[in-house]
Amino acid sequence: QVQLQESGPGLVKTSQTLSLTCTVSGGSINSGNHYWSWIRQPAGKGLEWIGRVHSSGTTNYNPSLKSRLTISVDTSKNQFSLNLRSVTATDTALYYCARDTLNILTGYYTDTWGQGTLVAVSS
Amino acid sequence: DIQMTQSPSSLSASVRDRVTITCRASQSIRRYLNWYQQKPGKAPKLLIYGTSSLQGGVPSRFAGSGSGTDFTLTISSLQPEDFATYFCQQSDSSPYTFGQGTKLEIK
Repeated sequence: QVQLQESGPGLVKTSQTLSLTCTVSGGSINSGNHYWSWIRQPAGKGLEWIGRVHSSGTTNYNPSLKSRLTISVDTSKNQFSLNLRSVTATDTALYYCARDTLNILTGYYTDTWGQGTLVAVSS
Repeated sequence: DIQMTQSPSSLSASVRDRVTITCRASQSIRRYLNWYQQKPGKAPKLLIYGTSSLQGGVPSRFAGSGSGTDFTLTISSLQPEDFATYFCQQSDSSPYTFGQGTKLEIK
């Protein structure tokens, strides 16, 4: 059974870069019908889709974050990463990494989630 | 971006009640609609994908329906463990937006 685990600093200074890594265990990140996603949730609020990467390197980004965002994959380490530049307090949130699975008939769905990691942005 | 609007935002109900949560898309998303359940301090859990397909291990009291812009999640007989927040998400086109959530509370 695939498991995901986020890692990275819990505190980032304003205007710096937020960097998180998600380690995939129990399965290979090199799977044709999966994308690997980042989703965040400010305290007490809803879910915001950040973006995703395929093992081929293909990415999809949320346009609201695209200018500051890079999501990459390292298949040799079975990991994928998030880099969000020039952060402000509005980027403070619980960040989840997750796996999207493609079903030809029903489209993509997020079937596996990490436990989430809290990132605070402060000066 | 496609906007997803859930109603109600919160709902009080009793055990064994039948409840329905609605999700409306700002444009047609065909049947590319997923539902998630989130309990406090936990990651969301996939309940239903592709409008009506039940994820493995999810009880059959959960059911989804709809197409185009209007979708529903129905819980046929609420159990104590169902009190949680529910989110819909469209997977028709990027960015794959979520609804704002519906908090289901015990009456």
